[in-house]
Amino acid sequence: GAGVSQSPSNKVTEKGKDVELRCDPISGHTALYWYRQSLGQGLEFLIYFQGNSAPDKSGLPSDRFSAERTGGSVSTLTIQRTQQEDSAVYLCASSLGGGSQETQYFGPGTRLLVL
Amino acid sequence: EDQVTQSPEALRLQEGESSSLNCSYTVSGLRGLFWYRQDPGKGPEFLFTLYSAGEEKEKERLKATLTKKESFLHITAPKPEDSATYLCAVGGGRRALTFGSGTRLQVQP
Repeated sequence: GAGVSQSPSNKVTEKGKDVELRCDPISGHTALYWYRQSLGQGLEFLIYFQGNSAPDKSGLPSDRFSAERTGGSVSTLTIQRTQQEDSAVYLCASSLGGGSQETQYFGPGTRLLVL
Repeated sequence: EDQVTQSPEALRLQEGESSSLNCSYTVSGLRGLFWYRQDPGKGPEFLFTLYSAGEEKEKERLKATLTKKESFLHITAPKPEDSATYLCAVGGGRRALTFGSGTRLQVQP
């Protein structure tokens, strides 16, 4: 595809419900990242996938958050038992390779609101 | 721990009034410094990558420079369409980028 795509664009849910956010990276990109952007805050790293290697989950804020990447392409971020503090924009990025010198290209984000 | 500080937090310019945005960083082994532009309701859009001190890159009215401690994004004769939040990020020892909080730029006609 032309760029990173994410769905849904917006999600409103009730506290305690589970949500799934989807990311489709740029074709051929081996690395995929999830970040969270809260109002007025910088981007906060959540999780990183590179090829077939074990993901780097060091940024996940709690065990309610999990992510998977199927077939080295599409990724799903799942938040269980959502809380109001989970409200934020969830951004996905991909890069050609996995080093931190690689340019990351971002999707449009999913705006999550937990009521 | 890698850290990025951007200043000012917000900047209001008149059309044609040139200025600079600052990005100060501390990182264990800089692999790359990245500038992004973010419009309201959208994801960050890549602008530049700088890899070593002394490097400069230009695109239209924007010019990014890099020293060992900071980077500047110079905006020459800005137009209203340059209004956005500009984000700076560093790539260091870990795979993920470390971002600053951004500078909100408003250019008035």
